[in-house]
Amino acid sequence: AQRVTQPEKLLSVFKGAPVELKCNYSYSGSPELFWYVQYSRQRLQLLLRHISRESIKGFTADLNKGETSFHLKKPFAQEEDSAMYYCAPRGYMRFGAGTRLTVKP
Amino acid sequence: GAGVSQSPSNKVTEKGKDVELRCDPISGHTALYWYRQRLGQGLEFLIYFQGNSAPDKSGLPSDRFSAERTGESVSTLTIQRTQQEDSAVYLCATRPQLAGPPYEQYFGPGTRLTVT
Repeated sequence: AQRVTQPEKLLSVFKGAPVELKCNYSYSGSPELFWYVQYSRQRLQLLLRHISRESIKGFTADLNKGETSFHLKKPFAQEEDSAMYYCAPRGYMRFGAGTRLTVKP
Repeated sequence: GAGVSQSPSNKVTEKGKDVELRCDPISGHTALYWYRQRLGQGLEFLIYFQGNSAPDKSGLPSDRFSAERTGESVSTLTIQRTQQEDSAVYLCATRPQLAGPPYEQYFGPGTRLTVT
């Protein structure tokens, strides 16, 4: 079964500091992973997918097969990045438990 | 061209009553998912549909929970004899198809259920 783990429930950083939200996966086969974000009073939405190797809102996530990780990173956090972040594999979506990021001014 | 919609947006019910939550998918999306999000917790997968078939019901928390889907359109999640622990936001998401890309899910705004 495709499983992901987000070890941090809460993460708090200051504005301008780097941020890394951790996600580890544990399943066989070719992983395909996503990050979803839920801003306050908005619906859950896709942030980025690893296969696209894209940078969205300054966030990137690299699939590290050796460490079985897909951490989400941003070099300089902004207050508007405060949200709930979920890591998820493809398929019918056993989402990670989520990490609530708070960026303090 | 509208996204996934859910109704009602808020529902307050008394313990022991039955409730029905509705999800209207994006037109043409055959895969539909229900999740529960308790306060301060992550997403809990409940059930998914491919068309009107639900191959995996293992995520439903108890036999008080059931879901149906009419063809490839509306889905309803029914909770019978509601309990206070059922209080949560219930999210619906859809995808164009179950197998193969694209894998992105499109979420509805959720129904906030409060059981008093």
